[in-house]
Amino acid sequence: AAGVIQSPRHLIKEKRETATLKCYPIPRHDTVYWYQQGPGQDPQFLISFYEKMQSDKGSIPDRFSAQQFSDYHSELNMSSLELGDSALYFCASSRLAGGEQYFGPGTRLTVT
Amino acid sequence: EDQVTQSPEALRLQEGESSSLNCSYTVSGLRGLFWYRQDPGKGPEFLFTLYSAGEEKEKERLKATLTKKESFLHITAPKPEDSATYLCAVHGSSNTGKLIFGQGTTLQVKP
Repeated sequence: AAGVIQSPRHLIKEKRETATLKCYPIPRHDTVYWYQQGPGQDPQFLISFYEKMQSDKGSIPDRFSAQQFSDYHSELNMSSLELGDSALYFCASSRLAGGEQYFGPGTRLTVT
Repeated sequence: EDQVTQSPEALRLQEGESSSLNCSYTVSGLRGLFWYRQDPGKGPEFLFTLYSAGEEKEKERLKATLTKKESFLHITAPKPEDSATYLCAVHGSSNTGKLIFGQGTTLQVKP
């Protein structure tokens, strides 16, 4: 069965640089969620989209923005990167908001 | 504010030694409770969804149950390959589906 695809899988950036993370949801899933997981921590909700519209926003810094495109893939744009942004970033998708969320393999971002 | 607390933080079992993981939650209105398994450096893998008190679901050696205040993940005769972090999450007051996670229980099963 098709799963959530994330790219890149690993990303190394320097402070103050920008990064773009991509997420391709499971086919026919219309809702995408982004989560951030720091070392030894649980996933923290960042932002979600339903039918290409932002549906909810969590503890996402103003330096981050995201969107969902017409083909339902989503991109998380991160600017002015800080050391504290180093984490695993997961994308999850579901068929309808509130449905079972299936997570991608994650993007490991390291900021040096 | 929705909250999830898992216990214990870590659990070491011998192969075949059954046990239970606890997930206590506080939400204004539970829309769903989810269990995930996470291996180091990988994405959470969906296990179960529970929607109402009294509901139970099973998959191989795992069984999840739900009451009005907590959920249990029972592991029967675990094997070393069951070693992982088990995450509990709730879809609570938000109608957008965002999940609030607990800190997880890291299970180690020794042969």
